[in-house]
Amino acid sequence: DIQMTQSPSSLSASVGDRVTITCRASQGIRNDLGWYQQKPGKAPKRLIYAASSLQSGVPSRFSGSGSGTEFTLTISSLQPEDFATYYCLQHNSYSWTFGQGTKVEIK
Amino acid sequence: QVTLRESGPALVKPTQTLTLTCTFSGFSLSTSGMCVSWIRQPPGKALEWLALIDWDDDKYYSTSLKTRLTISKDTSKNQVVLTMTNMDPVDTATYYCARSNYDSSGYSAFDIWGQGTMVTVSS
Repeated sequence: DIQMTQSPSSLSASVGDRVTITCRASQGIRNDLGWYQQKPGKAPKRLIYAASSLQSGVPSRFSGSGSGTEFTLTISSLQPEDFATYYCLQHNSYSWTFGQGTKVEIK
Repeated sequence: QVTLRESGPALVKPTQTLTLTCTFSGFSLSTSGMCVSWIRQPPGKALEWLALIDWDDDKYYSTSLKTRLTISKDTSKNQVVLTMTNMDPVDTATYYCARSNYDSSGYSAFDIWGQGTMVTVSS
């Protein structure tokens, strides 16, 4: 199975900060990666698909990049509603696998 | 509007079999490319993909759980059913179903999720 190593596991940031989260795949997965945001008690919500395509309705401050084994989610200017946990997902080969999550907290 | 909703028992005993149903609307699993997956999340822990069924009735399972899982669909009822055998307290989690779409460029995974259903395994 492909392992997804997500970092950091948590971070503290202030409103307006630029935030970067990374996922590394244990083998190449082309651009078969998505990013999801989850708030407490809620289902995840897709932000990015195909590594860099913005989901309709998601603010443009979210962006994704990468291909192969290294991927990045960037929030250009953190907003109060962005405090949440973020997960990457590889869907290149079965079993599909999520990263361990990054909790973004208020500094 | 696409929606998915999970249903099933809130409490099961160890060694029992869990049966969960995902009822969806706004799309058909007989449409080429459509897929539904199950994903779970233990309290305070990460998401874990469990299984996927596609429009062609192909089925895929988590490597670590495949001996315990069965996924099936009833296209006429717009439902996908997951069974998990030999339940254990470590299987306590919120279980989600989510839609994916497959085309020539690959999968578009989990664009729409259900709200989730919490399952506790305890005697």
